[in-house]
Amino acid sequence: SQKIEQNSEALNIQEGKTATLTCNYTNYSPAYLQWYRQDPGRGPVFLLLIRENEKEKRKERLKVTFDTTLKQSLFHITASQPADSATYLCALSYSGGGADGLTFGKGTHLIIQP
Amino acid sequence: GAVVSQHPSRVICKSGTSVKIECRSLDFQATTMFWYRQFPKQSLMLMATSNEGSKATYEQGVEKDKFLINHASLTLSTLTVTSAHPEDSSFYICSARSPGPENQPQHFGDGTRLSIL
Repeated sequence: SQKIEQNSEALNIQEGKTATLTCNYTNYSPAYLQWYRQDPGRGPVFLLLIRENEKEKRKERLKVTFDTTLKQSLFHITASQPADSATYLCALSYSGGGADGLTFGKGTHLIIQP
Repeated sequence: GAVVSQHPSRVICKSGTSVKIECRSLDFQATTMFWYRQFPKQSLMLMATSNEGSKATYEQGVEKDKFLINHASLTLSTLTVTSAHPEDSSFYICSARSPGPENQPQHFGDGTRLSIL
């Protein structure tokens, strides 16, 4: 079965630096990959989506890369702020039409220290 | 943007009680909604896919008679946990896919914290 691995340990980054989070998967590549932010006791909030034929996507301070050869996605937050502290989830979809649910990683807890 | 509302946000009840959770897409129609469960420090696990006007599709290991799903309209799906027991205590979250072309993101409700005593 598909396994998704994210940095299991908390990631501590100093404010203003770039935070880089990793998502690795096994087996076959997904049709697309999504990154979500989850705060304690809340549902995930969508951040970015990248398709299997795309290498990179950007949105404001966020950047996602997708390497199907390495079976890896990297999620970057530049000029990080304490408000960026949260758990970030990587999710894969194998259905191009979106008819299937997502397969999630456990998430990486990011702490931005002032 | 697409907004998904979930109600109630928290339920505490006795063992043996049945609990209904509602999931609504507020500003768009969703032919498909999804139900997930999340245990502490674990990933979200897909339980079932809710299809408007037809039966839900359950993931392996999820009891369909235990977790009843009804998707009677394009904006509402309900999950009923029947005869809930302490092991059903978890964080239940629904989602709906944005309308539009393929590969649209899913948008999530804020979850329901279910505690069975």
